[in-house]
Amino acid sequence: GENVEQHPSTLSVQEGDSAVIKCTYSDSASNYFPWYKQELGKGPQLIIDIRSNVGEKKDQRIAVTLNKTAKHFSLHITETQPEDSAVYFCAARVSGNTPLVFGKGTRLSVIA
Amino acid sequence: GAVVSQHPSRVICKSGTSVKIECRSLDFQATTMFWYRQFPKQSLMLMATSNEGSKATYEQGVEKDKFLINHASLTLSTLTVTSAHPEDSSFYICSARGAGYLYNEQFFGPGTRLTVL
Repeated sequence: GENVEQHPSTLSVQEGDSAVIKCTYSDSASNYFPWYKQELGKGPQLIIDIRSNVGEKKDQRIAVTLNKTAKHFSLHITETQPEDSAVYFCAARVSGNTPLVFGKGTRLSVIA
Repeated sequence: GAVVSQHPSRVICKSGTSVKIECRSLDFQATTMFWYRQFPKQSLMLMATSNEGSKATYEQGVEKDKFLINHASLTLSTLTVTSAHPEDSSFYICSARGAGYLYNEQFFGPGTRLTVL
């Protein structure tokens, strides 16, 4: 089955700097790659997603890139703010009928 | 749109009792619902997948008689933890997937923190 690896597990950046989180997946048939942000004591919130027919997607300060050949995708957050501090999870899915497979998460701390 | 709610948000119970957690899709019909559990500082672990009107499919290692899942309608799924023990203490999160343009995305509830004394 699908396996998703996520790095780093923790990341500290200065406010205003960029943060990059990387994930790799094992199943080349995966075609949907969402990113979730989870704040303490809350459920995950979808922040951006990308499908396999697109190489990059951007939404204001957040962008995701996908390299299907290398089977990896990355989350980029620019101009980080303290409120960006949270745990971020990447996920992958083979088809609409299968559940998402999550990475282990990255704890991002933005230092003011 | 695409809001998922869970109730209760927190529950504390005594060992041996049963606890029911409700998951509702508020503004869309959820053809599929997923139940996850999450231990502190860990990722989400899928427990089971349920389709409306069908029996849930449990992941390996998850006891179906202990974690009873009912998905009786397109907007409601329940998870009942039977004869709860301290090791069942965890953060339980449901997720719903709709139909049509909502088919690909999974929307998560806010989670329920269960503490078994």
